[in-house]
Amino acid sequence: DVKVTQSSRYLVKRTGEKVFLECVQDMDHENMFWYRQDPGLGLRLIYFSYDVKMKEKGDIPEGYSVSREKKERFSLILESASTNQTSMYLCASSFIAGGAPEQFFGPGTRLTVL
Amino acid sequence: AQSVTQLDSHVSVSEGTPVLLRCNYSSSYSPSLFWYVQHPNKGLQLLLKYTSAATLVKGINGFEAEFKKSETSFHLTKPSAHMSDAAEYFCVVSHNSGYALNFGKGTSLLVTP
Repeated sequence: DVKVTQSSRYLVKRTGEKVFLECVQDMDHENMFWYRQDPGLGLRLIYFSYDVKMKEKGDIPEGYSVSREKKERFSLILESASTNQTSMYLCASSFIAGGAPEQFFGPGTRLTVL
Repeated sequence: AQSVTQLDSHVSVSEGTPVLLRCNYSSSYSPSLFWYVQHPNKGLQLLLKYTSAATLVKGINGFEAEFKKSETSFHLTKPSAHMSDAAEYFCVVSHNSGYALNFGKGTSLLVTP
């Protein structure tokens, strides 16, 4: 089974802090993704990476950056956390299956910024 | 741009009755479409996917969905609801990038005894 793990299930940070969210996958997938999930809004794509050291902005990249130094690890960085970044953050990885990018998700990190 | 609209934010059914969760899509080309499920405090799980092979797609746990190009719909159905089906369901379309996914806003399914 594909396993995607995230470093924390719950995190509480202060406004202005630098925050690191870590994600690791164990299936040698090329592609990795960061989404945030908010009630009534579904999941929204923040950043994704299709190879080591490669990154692409998603639909809501403002206030975030990412790092992918190794194939299995994809980090999301909040340079200066703000209260509007309080959310559930979901990491995913994927391979191409039958022409469609089936994604496997981690359990999520619920971040609260005070 | 590819997008999906889930027509109901909440659906309530009685156990043993049929389930219908509605989804319309918008795409400039033939899309890949998915349904994901998220149980409370659990991760997202793929229920089924459509990739232009067959218009009626069967998924896990008795769910299926039919791709209707003329109606731009991809509704999720199940003949008989079970209490364990209570969860949040997301209709999803492939993202412009070709790598990521565009999620709908979700439909919360409540199953009553």
